[in-house]
Amino acid sequence: GIQVEQSPPDLILQEGANSTLRCNFSDSVNNLQWFHQNPWGQLINLFYIPSGTKQNGRLSATTVATERYSLLYISSSQTTDSGVYFCAVELLRGGRGTSYGKLTFGQGTILTVHP
Amino acid sequence: GAGVSQSPSNKVTEKGKDVELRCDPISGHTALYWYRQSLGQGLEFLIYFQGNSAPDKSGLPSDRFSAERTGGSVSTLTIQRTQQEDSAVYLCASSYRGAYEQYFGPGTRLTVT
Repeated sequence: GIQVEQSPPDLILQEGANSTLRCNFSDSVNNLQWFHQNPWGQLINLFYIPSGTKQNGRLSATTVATERYSLLYISSSQTTDSGVYFCAVELLRGGRGTSYGKLTFGQGTILTVHP
Repeated sequence: GAGVSQSPSNKVTEKGKDVELRCDPISGHTALYWYRQSLGQGLEFLIYFQGNSAPDKSGLPSDRFSAERTGGSVSTLTIQRTQQEDSAVYLCASSYRGAYEQYFGPGTRLTVT
């Protein structure tokens, strides 16, 4: 079954709008990261957030590990925010096992911001 | 400081040839990971190194794929007898230790003709 599910798959915004991207995961996690993949394919680190809330400028993220989801908020979007946003988690199946950082990626959310 | 670097950035090869892809992790990072990104499969884990040893090779798709890491630093991913389905972007990542934040390189785009 699906282990990491992101929604929505596609999102189109006008510049200045706000958005929320969601990541659901099927088991306990030891590591959760959000990435932005730019048009050149580079994965840019946004947040390392296995739990709690963090903010960085116009971006913020919240992970509620007990309910198995994470949210990425983008405020006052800009055209440069366009690209694919990935959630990646290290799943601890059954809450056990050795943790070493093997990431399982969601399918991504494709964000397009129009001027 | 310098990030993760990979070479070559692009590689075009004929079916049946062998290829080597190189990854230079961030200095001081002991954990190194290889992932593959393809249209049909998304981003998938291939192999993990802690130092020079590879405790998890579970993601390697076939025995044509192998990887090594020397001196706890540079890693090479080798694909023997390449097939068209090997065409993908191969990404390398490193972290200070296993289960810490991972940082990715720019990738190597492999095209098998």
